[in-house]
Amino acid sequence: EAQVTQNPRYLITVTGKKLTVTCSQNMNHEYMSWYRQDPGLGLRQIYYSMNVEVTDKGDVPEGYKVSRKEKRNFPLILESPSPNQTSLYFCASSPSLLAGGRVPDTQYFGPGTRLTVL
Amino acid sequence: AQSVTQLGSHVSVSEGALVLLRCNYSSSVPPYLFWYVQYPNQGLQLLLKYTSAATLVKGINGFEAEFKKSETSFHLTKPSAHMSDAAEYFCAVSLSGGYNKLIFGAGTRLAVHP
Repeated sequence: EAQVTQNPRYLITVTGKKLTVTCSQNMNHEYMSWYRQDPGLGLRQIYYSMNVEVTDKGDVPEGYKVSRKEKRNFPLILESPSPNQTSLYFCASSPSLLAGGRVPDTQYFGPGTRLTVL
Repeated sequence: AQSVTQLGSHVSVSEGALVLLRCNYSSSVPPYLFWYVQYPNQGLQLLLKYTSAATLVKGINGFEAEFKKSETSFHLTKPSAHMSDAAEYFCAVSLSGGYNKLIFGAGTRLAVHP
């Protein structure tokens, strides 16, 4: 089954304790992205990757890191989490870009990771 | 600056009634427009998209949306609501021609009551 998987689905941690949220897709998509979803703010992009070893900042990259060593995986790293990073996180992938740009066409989303930082 | 506004954070309709979810955007160049749906405890999935072809776009589950350039709108409609349509709906806009921004609206939560 074609899908985007994220782990863990739920995580409660404490301030400053490094954590990684994994994301994997089995559709051979080149484009991958991380978003955070907060009430009243919709989805905001954290980082994206156009291909292996090619990553770039989105709108809210502060406090996050990513890597793209393999096409299928795009982990999100919080080196020193803080309470303002409590949120619902989504990973997404896309098989193509809109013409003339660097923006994904249809995106396929993972089920989400609900993170609470105490 | 590019932006997208969804009017009404919560919309409630009766089963069988018309569903209308509003989305307005601001853009100085032709946009690409998307509607995504998020069912409870799930990720988002694409409902439909406008990428400069037909202005009336049909999507999954009986939804459709019309791109109106003069009104800078891309409202989502469905003639008859089902209980299973209860979800959160997100409009997203991107600019054509070399830009790298995809902006999501704040979302509209649709409730369907019997």
